[in-house]
Amino acid sequence: DAKTTQPPSMDCAEGRAANLPCNHSTISGNEYVYWYRQIHSQGPQYIIHGLKNNETNEMASLIITEDRKSSTLILPHATLRDTAVYYCIVRVWANNAGNMLTFGGGTRLMVKP
Amino acid sequence: DAGVTQSPTHLIKTRGQQVTLRCSPKSGHDTVSWYQQALGQGPQFIFQYYEEEERQRGNFPDRFSGHQFPNYSSELNVNALLLGDSALYLCASSLARVTGELFFGEGSRLTVL
Repeated sequence: DAKTTQPPSMDCAEGRAANLPCNHSTISGNEYVYWYRQIHSQGPQYIIHGLKNNETNEMASLIITEDRKSSTLILPHATLRDTAVYYCIVRVWANNAGNMLTFGGGTRLMVKP
Repeated sequence: DAGVTQSPTHLIKTRGQQVTLRCSPKSGHDTVSWYQQALGQGPQFIFQYYEEEERQRGNFPDRFSGHQFPNYSSELNVNALLLGDSALYLCASSLARVTGELFFGEGSRLTVL
């Protein structure tokens, strides 16, 4: 699986959009970008994933550059409850490909009042 | 709809002892994975079980073993505990045919003295 690079920490004002970047310059054509977050003392939570098109769900939006070498997770209106460590993960998607996700250090997002 | 449940939530063992952690997957899920998360680090994949067999394994010694039961629940066993085994052990469940989107439990916090 391709390696990802994320800033170790970011701050965001409550109510504003939080834009979390991720670099994955060695991504392969069959690798998807996944985002998870982990709120303190809880297990990781799946947020969103995508291949090359931008994706949106009730939690966030995922913007993937045309060359797929980087992506941005957008939380449109951050709240204090969004304070967490956000992990960007790149992996192959295939039936029974396995559930081995490689978590890096992630980005610690602090949402401030 | 119950999510992933793990037990016990906390436990303390001494070096050389053995421990068993338990996990019930989310309703309808048939695949269980186990992760180890040391303090301040991202989760590390231990292994995955599907159809009562170990399907994929991370870089962990044979002291780490597991089992999946016909009802899809799972156990993680660690023998000959070391101080370095102190960590949060996370269980994640999914449907085998839908990879990448894992549902994590709250974890079992193991302290080895």
